[in-house]
Amino acid sequence: ETGVTQSPTHLIKTRGQQVTLRCSSQSGHNTVSWYQQALGQGPQFIFQYYREEENGRGNFPPRFSGLQFPNYSSELNVNALELDDSALYLCASSFLEPHTQYFGPGTRLTVL
Amino acid sequence: KQEVTQIPAALSVPEGENLVLNCSFTDSAIYNLQWFRQDPGKGLTSLLLIQSSQREQTSGRLNASLDKSSGRSTLYIAASQPGDSATYLCAVGPGNYGQNFVFGPGTRLSVLP
Repeated sequence: ETGVTQSPTHLIKTRGQQVTLRCSSQSGHNTVSWYQQALGQGPQFIFQYYREEENGRGNFPPRFSGLQFPNYSSELNVNALELDDSALYLCASSFLEPHTQYFGPGTRLTVL
Repeated sequence: KQEVTQIPAALSVPEGENLVLNCSFTDSAIYNLQWFRQDPGKGLTSLLLIQSSQREQTSGRLNASLDKSSGRSTLYIAASQPGDSATYLCAVGPGNYGQNFVFGPGTRLSVLP
Protein backbone atom coordinates (compact mmCIF):
# COMPACT_ATOMS: atom_id res chain seq x y z
CA GLU A 1 0.00 0.00 0.00
CA THR A 2 1.68 3.18 -1.24
CA GLY A 3 -0.56 5.67 0.53
CA VAL A 4 -0.94 7.84 -2.58
CA THR A 5 -4.57 8.32 -3.53
CA GLN A 6 -6.17 9.96 -6.55
CA SER A 7 -9.68 11.09 -7.35
CA PRO A 8 -11.77 10.57 -9.26
CA THR A 9 -11.04 7.09 -10.61
CA HIS A 10 -12.69 7.72 -13.95
CA LEU A 11 -13.91 10.87 -15.66
CA ILE A 12 -15.66 11.60 -18.93
CA LYS A 13 -15.59 15.10 -20.39
CA THR A 14 -16.32 16.72 -23.71
CA ARG A 15 -13.92 18.68 -25.86
CA GLY A 16 -13.43 22.26 -24.65
CA GLN A 17 -14.36 21.57 -21.05
CA GLN A 18 -12.10 21.96 -18.04
CA VAL A 19 -11.12 19.25 -15.56
CA THR A 20 -9.49 19.07 -12.12
CA LEU A 21 -7.78 15.93 -10.89
CA ARG A 22 -6.69 15.45 -7.30
CA CYS A 23 -3.86 13.65 -5.58
CA SER A 24 -3.13 13.01 -1.93
CA SER A 25 0.56 12.37 -1.29
CA GLN A 26 2.03 9.68 0.91
CA SER A 27 2.52 10.94 4.43
CA GLY A 28 5.71 12.98 4.85
CA HIS A 29 6.46 13.41 1.15
CA ASN A 30 7.05 17.00 0.03
CA THR A 31 7.26 16.49 -3.73
CA VAL A 32 4.54 15.53 -6.18
CA SER A 33 4.92 14.79 -9.88
CA TRP A 34 2.18 14.38 -12.48
CA TYR A 35 2.37 12.15 -15.54
CA GLN A 36 0.18 11.47 -18.55
CA GLN A 37 0.09 7.93 -19.88
CA ALA A 38 -1.54 7.32 -23.23
CA LEU A 39 -2.66 3.81 -24.05
CA GLY A 40 0.28 1.49 -24.78
CA GLN A 41 2.93 4.08 -23.93
CA GLY A 42 5.10 4.92 -20.97
CA PRO A 43 4.14 7.84 -18.72
CA GLN A 44 5.14 11.32 -19.88
CA PHE A 45 6.23 13.87 -17.28
CA ILE A 46 3.90 16.88 -17.00
CA PHE A 47 5.33 18.80 -14.04
CA GLN A 48 6.64 18.51 -10.51
CA TYR A 49 5.84 20.54 -7.40
CA TYR A 50 8.09 20.90 -4.37
CA ARG A 51 6.86 22.79 -1.31
CA GLU A 52 4.03 24.43 -3.30
CA GLU A 53 6.28 25.71 -6.11
CA GLU A 54 6.60 24.28 -9.62
CA ASN A 55 9.99 22.59 -9.73
CA GLY A 56 10.16 21.40 -13.32
CA ARG A 57 7.94 20.96 -16.32
CA GLY A 58 7.78 18.63 -19.29
CA ASN A 59 6.68 19.41 -22.82
CA PHE A 60 3.04 20.24 -22.08
CA PRO A 61 1.16 23.44 -22.98
CA PRO A 62 0.15 26.05 -20.38
CA ARG A 63 -3.42 24.79 -20.34
CA PHE A 64 -2.00 22.07 -18.09
CA SER A 65 -1.53 23.70 -14.69
CA GLY A 66 -1.15 22.54 -11.14
CA LEU A 67 -1.24 23.38 -7.48
CA GLN A 68 0.33 21.91 -4.39
CA PHE A 69 -1.19 22.71 -1.01
CA PRO A 70 0.47 23.11 2.41
CA ASN A 71 -0.51 19.54 3.30
CA TYR A 72 1.30 18.48 0.08
CA SER A 73 -1.86 17.32 -1.67
CA SER A 74 -2.03 18.43 -5.27
CA GLU A 75 -4.31 19.25 -8.18
CA LEU A 76 -3.85 18.98 -11.92
CA ASN A 77 -6.03 21.29 -13.98
CA VAL A 78 -6.51 20.96 -17.71
CA ASN A 79 -8.34 23.67 -19.63
CA ALA A 80 -9.84 23.54 -23.12
CA LEU A 81 -9.78 19.75 -23.25
CA GLU A 82 -8.78 18.08 -26.51
CA LEU A 83 -9.45 14.54 -27.68
CA ASP A 84 -5.74 13.71 -27.31
CA ASP A 85 -5.93 14.51 -23.60
CA SER A 86 -7.66 11.16 -23.12
CA ALA A 87 -5.21 9.18 -21.00
CA LEU A 88 -4.41 7.77 -17.58
CA TYR A 89 -3.14 10.57 -15.33
CA LEU A 90 -0.77 9.45 -12.61
CA CYS A 91 0.60 11.32 -9.67
CA ALA A 92 3.66 10.28 -7.73
CA SER A 93 4.88 11.52 -4.40
CA SER A 94 8.40 11.43 -3.06
CA PHE A 95 11.02 13.32 -1.16
CA LEU A 96 13.04 15.58 -3.43
CA GLU A 97 15.93 13.23 -2.77
CA PRO A 98 16.52 10.28 -3.45
CA HIS A 99 13.69 10.45 -5.94
CA THR A 100 12.02 7.15 -5.16
CA GLN A 101 8.55 7.73 -6.49
CA TYR A 102 5.36 6.19 -5.14
CA PHE A 103 2.52 6.23 -7.60
CA GLY A 104 -1.19 6.52 -7.10
CA PRO A 105 -3.69 4.33 -8.97
CA GLY A 106 -4.37 7.02 -11.56
CA THR A 107 -7.38 8.81 -13.00
CA ARG A 108 -8.66 7.62 -16.35
CA LEU A 109 -9.81 10.67 -18.35
CA THR A 110 -11.88 10.22 -21.50
CA VAL A 111 -12.53 13.25 -23.70
CA LEU A 112 -15.38 12.88 -26.19
CA LYS B 1 17.36 14.91 -24.62
CA GLN B 2 17.12 11.66 -22.69
CA GLU B 3 15.53 8.76 -24.56
CA VAL B 4 14.69 5.42 -23.01
CA THR B 5 13.97 2.23 -24.91
CA GLN B 6 12.98 -1.22 -23.72
CA ILE B 7 13.50 -4.52 -25.43
CA PRO B 8 11.59 -6.68 -26.03
CA ALA B 9 8.24 -4.91 -26.38
CA ALA B 10 6.45 -8.10 -25.42
CA LEU B 11 7.51 -11.45 -24.04
CA SER B 12 5.69 -14.71 -23.41
CA VAL B 13 7.33 -17.47 -21.38
CA PRO B 14 6.26 -20.68 -19.64
CA GLU B 15 6.06 -20.68 -15.88
CA GLY B 16 9.35 -21.36 -14.10
CA GLU B 17 11.65 -19.76 -16.65
CA ASN B 18 14.25 -17.18 -15.76
CA LEU B 19 14.05 -14.07 -17.92
CA VAL B 20 15.77 -10.76 -18.59
CA LEU B 21 14.18 -7.44 -19.52
CA ASN B 22 16.35 -4.72 -21.02
CA CYS B 23 16.32 -0.94 -20.67
CA SER B 24 18.61 1.43 -22.58
CA PHE B 25 19.07 5.17 -22.14
CA THR B 26 20.98 7.73 -24.19
CA ASP B 27 22.31 10.16 -21.55
CA SER B 28 24.47 8.64 -18.81
CA ALA B 29 24.11 11.71 -16.54
CA ILE B 30 21.39 10.13 -14.45
CA TYR B 31 20.58 10.33 -10.74
CA ASN B 32 18.99 6.88 -10.48
CA LEU B 33 16.97 4.30 -12.36
CA GLN B 34 13.74 2.77 -11.15
CA TRP B 35 11.88 -0.33 -12.34
CA PHE B 36 8.10 -0.43 -12.09
CA ARG B 37 5.36 -2.94 -12.63
CA GLN B 38 1.99 -1.94 -14.07
CA ASP B 39 -1.05 -4.18 -14.16
CA PRO B 40 -3.65 -3.44 -16.86
CA GLY B 41 -5.48 -0.18 -16.20
CA LYS B 42 -3.69 0.32 -12.89
CA GLY B 43 -1.04 2.62 -11.47
CA LEU B 44 2.65 1.85 -11.10
CA THR B 45 4.23 -0.28 -8.40
CA SER B 46 7.89 0.41 -7.66
CA LEU B 47 10.00 -2.75 -7.80
CA LEU B 48 13.61 -1.63 -7.49
CA LEU B 49 15.55 1.61 -7.35
CA ILE B 50 19.23 1.78 -8.29
CA GLN B 51 21.21 4.89 -7.45
CA SER B 52 23.71 6.05 -10.06
CA SER B 53 26.59 4.98 -7.79
CA GLN B 54 25.26 1.42 -7.47
CA ARG B 55 25.66 -1.55 -9.81
CA GLU B 56 22.69 -3.65 -8.77
CA GLN B 57 19.77 -4.13 -6.42
CA THR B 58 17.94 -7.28 -5.40
CA SER B 59 14.49 -7.92 -4.01
CA GLY B 60 13.29 -11.50 -3.73
CA ARG B 61 13.25 -13.06 -7.19
CA LEU B 62 14.11 -9.75 -8.84
CA ASN B 63 17.57 -8.41 -9.58
CA ALA B 64 18.25 -5.17 -11.40
CA SER B 65 21.65 -4.10 -12.69
CA LEU B 66 22.88 -0.74 -13.92
CA ASP B 67 25.76 0.07 -16.27
CA LYS B 68 25.79 3.85 -16.57
CA SER B 69 28.70 4.00 -18.98
CA SER B 70 26.93 1.84 -21.55
CA GLY B 71 23.49 3.30 -20.82
CA ARG B 72 21.91 -0.01 -19.89
CA SER B 73 19.91 -1.63 -17.13
CA THR B 74 18.53 -5.14 -16.93
CA LEU B 75 15.79 -6.62 -14.79
CA TYR B 76 16.26 -10.30 -14.09
CA ILE B 77 13.24 -12.32 -12.91
CA ALA B 78 13.97 -15.75 -11.53
CA ALA B 79 11.55 -18.67 -11.60
CA SER B 80 8.76 -16.71 -13.24
CA GLN B 81 5.15 -17.19 -12.11
CA PRO B 82 1.80 -16.39 -13.76
CA GLY B 83 1.36 -13.61 -11.18
CA ASP B 84 4.39 -11.87 -12.70
CA SER B 85 2.36 -11.14 -15.84
CA ALA B 86 2.26 -7.36 -16.23
CA THR B 87 3.97 -4.51 -18.05
CA TYR B 88 7.41 -3.63 -16.73
CA LEU B 89 8.64 -0.06 -17.11
CA CYS B 90 11.99 1.50 -16.40
CA ALA B 91 12.34 5.18 -15.56
CA VAL B 92 15.52 7.21 -15.57
CA GLY B 93 15.86 9.84 -12.87
CA PRO B 94 17.29 13.21 -13.96
CA GLY B 95 20.80 14.40 -13.31
CA ASN B 96 19.48 17.70 -11.96
CA TYR B 97 16.56 18.51 -9.67
CA GLY B 98 13.39 19.57 -11.42
CA GLN B 99 14.17 17.91 -14.69
CA ASN B 100 11.80 15.30 -15.97
CA PHE B 101 11.88 11.62 -15.24
CA VAL B 102 11.86 9.70 -18.50
CA PHE B 103 10.07 6.39 -18.88
CA GLY B 104 10.57 3.67 -21.41
CA PRO B 105 7.55 2.30 -23.32
CA GLY B 106 7.54 -0.89 -21.25
CA THR B 107 7.82 -4.63 -21.82
CA ARG B 108 4.56 -6.58 -21.66
CA LEU B 109 5.24 -9.92 -19.97
CA SER B 110 2.98 -12.94 -20.06
CA VAL B 111 3.89 -15.98 -17.96
CA LEU B 112 1.92 -19.01 -19.04
CA PRO B 113 0.89 -21.69 -16.50
